[in-house]
Amino acid sequence: EPEVTQTPSHQVTQMGQEVILRCVPISNHLYFYWYRQILGQKVEFLVSFYNNEISEKSEIFDDRFSVERPDGSNFTLKIRSTKLEDSAMYFCASSELAGGPSGANVLTFGAGSRLTVL
Amino acid sequence: KNEVEQSPQNLTAQEGEFITINCSYSVGISALHWLQQHPGGGIVSLFMLSSGKKKHGRLIATINIQEKHSSLHITASHPRDSAVYICAALLGDSNYQLIWGAGTKLIIKP
Repeated sequence: EPEVTQTPSHQVTQMGQEVILRCVPISNHLYFYWYRQILGQKVEFLVSFYNNEISEKSEIFDDRFSVERPDGSNFTLKIRSTKLEDSAMYFCASSELAGGPSGANVLTFGAGSRLTVL
Repeated sequence: KNEVEQSPQNLTAQEGEFITINCSYSVGISALHWLQQHPGGGIVSLFMLSSGKKKHGRLIATINIQEKHSSLHITASHPRDSAVYICAALLGDSNYQLIWGAGTKLIIKP
């Protein structure tokens, strides 16, 4: 069964450093998403991406955050100048279609990348 | 402000029991997702529905758009069903942004 893969599974970084979290979505999917979950809290939407541009982003997704699809297969989340409060599990997801009420837009999630900022 | 509320927060039941988890939302939505999060953190999408009822194996999800309420039912529960179950609402004016509930932690005892 096709799956979304994320790397690394765990990254530890010093505050102020830059991190890149990588995701390989399902090959025929066109819509890509990043979510995050701070330990013990709700999952939060960060950003969605379609046709090589951001479709929507939340207030969390400030100027330190960026996304890119550099080579047609990887979908990356870059966080510059990391802060302690960036520590969270980051989930990548993809879907064949946009999230409206049709059958082909069920999200498939990766296993997550745990980011720890020290 | 909680736009998506789930109840109960925690649920412990014996193997074989019928389980109901509820989700209420205060915003206009176009669809609602039910997801399962395992202890290791991985998230699996169970259902996406915008009306009526869907069934997959022992799982049943229903939604009442007028009442802004959805339920997830598990029949003949099993210890392997133990996980956090989360509902997430797709905002009516968005194709992409899910608003997540806090989750219901389910423990099924053998």
